[in-house]
Amino acid sequence: NAGVTQTPKFQVLKTGQSMTLQCAQDMNHNSMYWYRQDPGMGLRLIYYSASEGTTDKGEVPNGYNVSRLNKREFSLRLESAAPSQTSVYFCASRTSGETNTGELFFGEGSRLTVL
Amino acid sequence: RKEVEQDPGPFNVPEGATVAFNCTYSNSASQSFFWYRQDCRKEPKLLMSVYSSGNEDGRFTAQLNRASQYISLLIRDSKLSDSATYLCVVARSGDTGFQKLVFGTGTRLLVSP
Repeated sequence: NAGVTQTPKFQVLKTGQSMTLQCAQDMNHNSMYWYRQDPGMGLRLIYYSASEGTTDKGEVPNGYNVSRLNKREFSLRLESAAPSQTSVYFCASRTSGETNTGELFFGEGSRLTVL
Repeated sequence: RKEVEQDPGPFNVPEGATVAFNCTYSNSASQSFFWYRQDCRKEPKLLMSVYSSGNEDGRFTAQLNRASQYISLLIRDSKLSDSATYLCVVARSGDTGFQKLVFGTGTRLLVSP
């Protein structure tokens, strides 16, 4: 019953450091997403992957890169962290092609602080 | 203007009360609508989909008004466990044809004894 698993759950970085957030899902979903959530801003889409082998920019992609390693895994990389990237990051997955279901399954979130 | 707008609240209500939230969306091409629930410091989870004819799930009723571009969530007989943030979510096809989900900032509900 793992669902969507993301690591690490907490991370503190210094400005300029790099790190990768890992995400894996075991539900055989085609689509995977990375969101960030900030107070008063709601969930904003960083990048998404409609299917294995494809990735696309979302609403706030600057400063991030992603890799869809295989159907299960979708990682988010911060090459040079900035304080503005302090946020809670959520990975999510969903079966694509079902316009009425809409259920996104989220990981538990990764709390990142950039000093 | 945000594509999906919600009153942030908080809505403070006593146990047993009925409370309603509204959400407005600006893109008339929006196709599907949902309410998600998010507990403090937890991930969002789907509460219910919203259908054109309206739908009910126990104490929760969701309605859609396409003409006025808003959706609503009604909670009857509020429980302490209903305390959470309720996120309005709208789905529409993006430029690539892939369906995008746009989240509102959420409405916070606090139910007190």
